[in-house]
Amino acid sequence: DAKTTQPPSMDCAEGRAANLPCNHSTISGNEYVYWYRQIHSQGPQYIIHGLKNNETNEMASLIITEDRKSSTLILPHATLRDTAVYYCIVRGNNDMRFGAGTRLTVKP
Amino acid sequence: DAGVTQSPTHLIKTRGQQVTLRCSPISGHKSVSWYQQVLGQGPQFIFQYYEKEERGRGNFPDRFSARQFPNYSSELNVNALLLGDSALYLCASSLLFVSGNTIYFGEGSWLTVV
Repeated sequence: DAKTTQPPSMDCAEGRAANLPCNHSTISGNEYVYWYRQIHSQGPQYIIHGLKNNETNEMASLIITEDRKSSTLILPHATLRDTAVYYCIVRGNNDMRFGAGTRLTVKP
Repeated sequence: DAGVTQSPTHLIKTRGQQVTLRCSPISGHKSVSWYQQVLGQGPQFIFQYYEKEERGRGNFPDRFSARQFPNYSSELNVNALLLGDSALYLCASSLLFVSGNTIYFGEGSWLTVV
């Protein structure tokens, strides 16, 4: 079973920041938080991952709470192309266990 | 640089038949894993291989098997196909078998069982 909980769906206005929350209250010390997205049943696209520090790359920012029990993925300026299912995954030295994800719809 | 490549992209099989799906990891990546994604659900882990050894197995029946070759490419085999095996089969690769490695997915192989 997935170790994360995400809202099933969210909407965001084009050009605004999209903030996608994820709860992972049972995360262990050596487990990383990963974010992927999937568009139209293509292969999942890697976005970002982190252990305990906040991370930023060209696609997004990842904010992890100090207790590591939750995190937020931030897409700073959402575009229509960001409409997708976003998966938050907790992973140690093993497989990736996907949940149902959050379906983000970016609206004009 | 080529990403994770999978073949075939689409195929149709009849119940009871066998299927082999192939995966080439990103150059230099030694770990390959396989996932099944049924329509409307998230991917489910099937197998993970690293350096040609199985390192993890999901909750799938023995009809599912896989192997990794010396060049790190991999095959997933499914025997005695059932209608419920119809799904997108995803292959993913990473440099090493350790937490914190970035894992990249291929575009998948669509299997339809009729």
